[in-house]
Amino acid sequence: GAGVSQSPSNKVTEKGKDVELRCDPISGHTALYWYRQSLGQGLEFLIYFQGNSAPDKSGLPSDRFSAERTGGSVSTLTIQRTQQEDSAVYLCASSLDRGLSEQYFGPGTRLTVT
Amino acid sequence: QKEVEQNSGPLSVPEGAIASLNCTYSDRVSQSFFWYRQYSGKSPELIMSIYSNGDKEDGRFTAQLNKASQYVSLLIRDSQPSDSATYLCAGHTGGFKTIFGAGTRLFVKA
Repeated sequence: GAGVSQSPSNKVTEKGKDVELRCDPISGHTALYWYRQSLGQGLEFLIYFQGNSAPDKSGLPSDRFSAERTGGSVSTLTIQRTQQEDSAVYLCASSLDRGLSEQYFGPGTRLTVT
Repeated sequence: QKEVEQNSGPLSVPEGAIASLNCTYSDRVSQSFFWYRQYSGKSPELIMSIYSNGDKEDGRFTAQLNKASQYVSLLIRDSQPSDSATYLCAGHTGGFKTIFGAGTRLFVKA
């Protein structure tokens, strides 16, 4: 079946611009995660959605970052007034349910802020 | 102590040998653990999950969990050059947040 998809695959933007990153999870997966991975670094948790519950936003690094998930499926991560330190690969993952379920990752969006 | 800790490596093993990757975790991390493999420039892919104390085998891979000592390991038997990648250990916190280690780079020499 189809895996997690993300778009765009690459995004180059100027400092100060807003960007939107999209994630389409595996059909039937109720949990969705966003992570950030800087070059040569590990995965940094950003936000987690589970069904219709309030999201866990505890990993968002600043109020410039926000995310929503419409209809329990597609999610959009928005970064306002981008800064150079926002440059990273943004990864989305989904899992069948919260808790013990394994996560399956999308291919990521490489964001470069110039 | 980091919540999930791994030696960054690189770990270098000859082809055909057993590669042993280790991970320790703090009290904040719950009892469900995962190993992911990440090739350079690619996203992580799930190798194995382990929830109970002991060993779990899947093909050339064996995951081991020791709750008393708070460590989880991954053994790769008959290592191949195609196994060369970064291996990420991950565990759940009580709030279902997944915490990833920084990863161990593995090189398998032909």
